Amino acid sequence: GQNIDQPTEMTATEGAIVQINCTYQTSGFNGLFWYQQHAGEAPTFLSYNVLDGLEEKGRFSSFLSRSKGYSYLLLKELQMKDSASYLCAVMDSNYQLIWGAGTKLIIKP
Amino acid sequence: GAVVSQHPSWVICKSGTSVKIECRSLDFQATTMFWYRQFPKQSLMLMATSNEGSKATYEQGVEKDKFLINHASLTLSTLTVTSAHPEDSSFYICSARGPSSQETQYFGPGTRLLVL
Repeated sequence: GQNIDQPTEMTATEGAIVQINCTYQTSGFNGLFWYQQHAGEAPTFLSYNVLDGLEEKGRFSSFLSRSKGYSYLLLKELQMKDSASYLCAVMDSNYQLIWGAGTKLIIKP
Repeated sequence: GAVVSQHPSWVICKSGTSVKIECRSLDFQATTMFWYRQFPKQSLMLMATSNEGSKATYEQGVEKDKFLINHASLTLSTLTVTSAHPEDSSFYICSARGPSSQETQYFGPGTRLLVL
């Protein structure tokens, strides 16, 4: 079967760095997406990785290792507005997105 | 990034009525649109996938006669919840993608439906 695993909840301090991990087992792989979803709102696109390595975009970076079925989202210089759920999604061989359950990130002052 | 709009943002209706939700891609041609439902504190659940000009493909357990999807143009898809009941109350979110299957899905802001 297809499976995406990510922690249910994480807590971090304002100004710090946090890494949200995602492991996956899917039938085929056509890329991995990270989305941010604030409470009561729709998801917004953060990043897309299809090749191994690190993609940096401002305070957010996303890493992929296809051989390990593993990705992480790294958030630096955390701000209170970063409190949200972070969704990992993998595009399988049929170009369908398989969604993780999301990681709720709580930022404390 | 690409912009997807949804209308209305909020709907409150009586049980038994039908509700139509519109999803529009504002600055790109959305070959494929997706409809999701999300209950409080739960994951996104894909309801159906629609390709412009074709019938929608529904996920297992989603009643196609209850959730009517129309994708008549490259910029508009509609979801009609027919004979809505309180258990249909949820957050409905559409997303849109361009012609390539590898393209990013961009989400609309969502529609909150409350059926009394």
